Amino acid sequence: QAVVTQEPSLTVSPGGTVTLTCGSSTGAVTSDNYPYWFQQKPGQAPRTLIYDTSSKHSWTPARFSGSLLGGKAALTLSGAQPEDEAEYYCLLSYSGARPVFGGGTKLTVL
Amino acid sequence: EVQLVESGGGLVQPGGSLRLSCAASGFTVSSKYMSWVRQAPGKGLEWVSVIYSGGSTYHADSVKGRFTISRDNSKNTVYLQMNSLRAEDTAVYYCARLPPGDYWGQGTLVTVSS
Repeated sequence: QAVVTQEPSLTVSPGGTVTLTCGSSTGAVTSDNYPYWFQQKPGQAPRTLIYDTSSKHSWTPARFSGSLLGGKAALTLSGAQPEDEAEYYCLLSYSGARPVFGGGTKLTVL
Repeated sequence: EVQLVESGGGLVQPGGSLRLSCAASGFTVSSKYMSWVRQAPGKGLEWVSVIYSGGSTYHADSVKGRFTISRDNSKNTVYLQMNSLRAEDTAVYYCARLPPGDYWGQGTLVTVSS
């Protein structure tokens, strides 16, 4: 089974920009991995922010964007707000195999 | 309004069985992909199972042969039958309309302990 890697923790200043990444042990992440990004706050269910690399749901704040960057999936937050402090998870799909979550990135807005 | 409501969690002894339910409203489960995702206490998310609109099912290697996802179209409900439960299956189990992940339930806690 593939291993999906994320930064364990990141800190961003209010109003600042930060990029979270999602790598795969099998090689470069591509659009064929259909990367997802989820936000989870303590005691709450996850909420999907990004699907299929860069598509947004109606509730996804405009300050979040998804992309592929340097062989990884990336979630960029531009103009961080205090309410963006949360755990962020990526999910990658693999042809012929089961999808795998990354270990999560704890984002602190400070 | 779309809603997913999980039920069926609780305390079960190792080796026991439990069936989780995910009652859907606002859409038809047979027309969507439905998944179960779990989260052990203090840990990250783990994908468990999916049932496609066409009826195909897939399970994570960690639960294959022990868990079975199914649905009852007449009740608009998705199930997760969990057999031969182990301590490491202890988690909050979420039902989600995934892909594309637009709706999640609030989760139901399963505790496997003697």
